[in-house]
Amino acid sequence: DTEVTQTPKHLVMGMTNKKSLKCEQHMGHRAMYWYKQKAKKPPELMFVYSYEKLSINESVPSRFSPECPNSSLLNLHLHALQPEDSALYLCASSQLDRKRGEQFFGPGTRLTVL
Amino acid sequence: GNSVTQMEGPVTLSEEAFLTINCTYTATGYPSLFWYVQYPGEGLQLLLKATKADDKGSNKGFEATYRKETTSFHLEKGSVQVSDSAVYFCALASGGTSYGKLTFGQGTILTVHP
Repeated sequence: DTEVTQTPKHLVMGMTNKKSLKCEQHMGHRAMYWYKQKAKKPPELMFVYSYEKLSINESVPSRFSPECPNSSLLNLHLHALQPEDSALYLCASSQLDRKRGEQFFGPGTRLTVL
Repeated sequence: GNSVTQMEGPVTLSEEAFLTINCTYTATGYPSLFWYVQYPGEGLQLLLKATKADDKGSNKGFEATYRKETTSFHLEKGSVQVSDSAVYFCALASGGTSYGKLTFGQGTILTVHP
């Protein structure tokens, strides 16, 4: 299985809602990532988990809260978002090795904040 | 710090035309280099990669050669198809961590007409 899956595919939420994005991989990768991508722009790194521990937080606002329950799952909890948070949210995973292997991306969740 | 510069787009070609998308980079040490492709409404897919100087990555008719002397990784395809219409991102992974934080170029939009 060489696939990263993400649910839901689309999400519309109000600024007072609480929702979660989910990501799953079964490639045995021990690094997982959350990215935010605006239209026609490259992905921006938000968080990196390695061995289920948060390794990098790219100064992301606290209204985004990541969670890694186990080595296959990655969640992104959303609360009190702003309209400017509307974007495509991408999950990725990779091996942890010195060869700096490629990252495998999921299809993304398209988030709209009203 | 690391950076990746791609040629300005958008690029519009007729079917069966030759494609070149230029990519140059700045990095310390010996980064791994990647081309990712993003089709409309989808996540990023790895197109090809090269991990050391003079390596040639190839996939689906696309090729790119890691040129350390010119710090370049230009993407080429001899005959494009309408189905190649997408956004192409050049990226590098470098640094002391084992999971290879990706630095992306700005992306090049390619449109191929029949």
